[in-house]
Amino acid sequence: QVQLQESGPGLVKPSETLSLTCTVSGGSISSYYCSWIRQPPGKGLEWIGYIYSSGSTNYNPSLKSRVTISVDTSKNQFSLKLTSVTAADTAVYYCARGLNSNWSRPGPYWGQGTLVTVSS
Amino acid sequence: QSALTQPASVSGSPGQSITISCTGTSSDVGVHNYVSWFQQHPGKAPKLMIYDVSNRPSGVSNRFSGSKSGNTASLTISGLQAEDEADYYCNSYTSSSTYVFGTGTKVTVL
Repeated sequence: QVQLQESGPGLVKPSETLSLTCTVSGGSISSYYCSWIRQPPGKGLEWIGYIYSSGSTNYNPSLKSRVTISVDTSKNQFSLKLTSVTAADTAVYYCARGLNSNWSRPGPYWGQGTLVTVSS
Repeated sequence: QSALTQPASVSGSPGQSITISCTGTSSDVGVHNYVSWFQQHPGKAPKLMIYDVSNRPSGVSNRFSGSKSGNTASLTISGLQAEDEADYYCNSYTSSSTYVFGTGTKVTVL
């Protein structure tokens, strides 16, 4: 059973960098696509981007200048960094892993999500 | 990229069928078959219900079905049950090799 768990600070100050890590258990991230998705409180889902285990990435154009997704296959983890955050970046952040090596779309395996609040 | 357009809410009585639309453009829904549908209950992570327009993952009830015509994809829930009350989101691949979600639809079981 593939399980994902997000971890990182729940509170980030404006203009600083948001950093989250997703740890995958019960399955590998090698040869899989891994994604980050976020959801502001009371609002809809927003795709942030994905990374393949080789390190190739693709990002939401609206966030591209501020986002970096990286992978550490030795730890079975992948990470998200979002720079220069504002209150608009307050959201529940989800990580997800694909079903097979060709699956770059979000899911089907998701973490439970972690709320990150941007506030001074 | 703009979010795909979904109705804000859809409702139905138990046992009825409802359909949720997801309208995109010729750069996403209209040209790619990588359309997925997710169900989200309050406080929970989204759950994949349909992928590649009309495929159901293992374990998903056959009461859920998907289709696509032109720039609009649809999710139909037949035999509506109380447990189907949730938010539903579509998602599509785009010609920029990115993904975009729909605006979300709240399904209410009357």
